[in-house]
Amino acid sequence: ELKVEQNPLFLSMQEGKNYTIYCNYSTTSDRLYWYRQDPGKSLESLFVLLSNGAVKQEGRLMASLDTKARLSTLHITAAVHDLSATYFCAVDASGATNKLIFGTGTLLAVQP
Amino acid sequence: NAGVTQTPKFRILKIGQSMTLQCTQDMNHNYMYWYRQDPGMGLKLIYYSVGAGITDKGEVPNGYNVSRSTTEDFPLRLELAAPSQTSVYFCASTQTGLRPEAFFGQGTRLTVV
Repeated sequence: ELKVEQNPLFLSMQEGKNYTIYCNYSTTSDRLYWYRQDPGKSLESLFVLLSNGAVKQEGRLMASLDTKARLSTLHITAAVHDLSATYFCAVDASGATNKLIFGTGTLLAVQP
Repeated sequence: NAGVTQTPKFRILKIGQSMTLQCTQDMNHNYMYWYRQDPGMGLKLIYYSVGAGITDKGEVPNGYNVSRSTTEDFPLRLELAAPSQTSVYFCASTQTGLRPEAFFGQGTRLTVV
């Protein structure tokens, strides 16, 4: 059974600081997704990582995937308050059906 | 461009009642999914479908049923609602290819009392 773990579960950081969120998963997969969720809202796709070594960047966020280590990271550079949200990683459990198994999420609070 | 549309947005059910959560997508996606999100948690897959007429169980299917008669619609049926089914329900759709990420509806907040 595929398990997806994120850490930390909660992250309070100051504006301007850098930090990394980690996503570990338990079985082989080469498809990993990062989503953002604002309070009371739906999920918004941030990154799609489809191969070992994939790196994607959008603004202050950068995601990477190491399929050999079964690890993805979401790096935040010079955080701003607008990045405050819950971030989820999700791993494709099957490859053929795009079934996603989600991590428990990381609640990011960026303090001024 | 509507994307994935869920109705209703909110609902309160009494224990033992039944209801259907509606989900429609206009992107001609083959794959559709139902997830539930409990407070402070990630999403758990309830059921999914890879095309009209084909459905399968996810991680937490007990107490739910689905059908997929058309590409566009994927309703989720709750029979004999229980307090443990209090949650936010998200419908999603996706397609293989260059953009395989799932697109999510706005969610249905269900409370069973």
